Amino acid sequence: KNEVEQSPQNLTAQEGEFITINCSYSVGISALHWLQQHPGGGIVSLFMLSSGKKKHGRLIATINIQEKHSSLHITASHPRDSAVYICAVRSPGGGADGLTFGKGTHLIIQP
Amino acid sequence: NAGVTQTPKFQVLKTGQSMTLQCAQDMNHNSMYWYRQDPGMGLRLIYYSASEGTTDKGEVPNGYNVSRLNKREFSLRLESAAPSQTSVYFCASSEATGGYGYTFGSGTRLTVV
Repeated sequence: KNEVEQSPQNLTAQEGEFITINCSYSVGISALHWLQQHPGGGIVSLFMLSSGKKKHGRLIATINIQEKHSSLHITASHPRDSAVYICAVRSPGGGADGLTFGKGTHLIIQP
Repeated sequence: NAGVTQTPKFQVLKTGQSMTLQCAQDMNHNSMYWYRQDPGMGLRLIYYSASEGTTDKGEVPNGYNVSRLNKREFSLRLESAAPSQTSVYFCASSEATGGYGYTFGSGTRLTVV
């Protein structure tokens, strides 16, 4: 089974700072997802990527398949970015739906 | 707005009571899922339905049953609730199994006392 580790578990930063959240996994994958869980509980899919880099607004996701590692970056962070960010990987031997989820990174952006 | 609708948002049950969590999607997705989220753990798959008319067990199916009523609706039933089923439940859908284009519902916070 794929082991998915996220770091840090908790992160508090000041508004405007550049944020990096990391995700590493133990077994080769076909895709990796980054999800955002709002304080109210809803989960939104941010990115799905299998190689390289994707950008959406102030969010950038990168993946290094050889190193089994992905990062989620937030530029010019804002308090509305405060949320739990979840990494999920799709791999053989994953859950019945093929996905294994990380435990999440709890991000707080202070004004 | 298009998406996944879950009801109810909150529920308190007594041990032994039964209830059904409802989920509906309007994106014409083939696959639907039920997850539970517990503190300090990643989302865990309870049951999923790869397509209308099929359902399969996930990682933690014990104590639950599901029904894929039609392509839009996928319900989760707790026949005899236990305190260990206190959790936040999420329904999700995707075009196909394996995580392509997932859309999640807003969650149901269930407490069993």
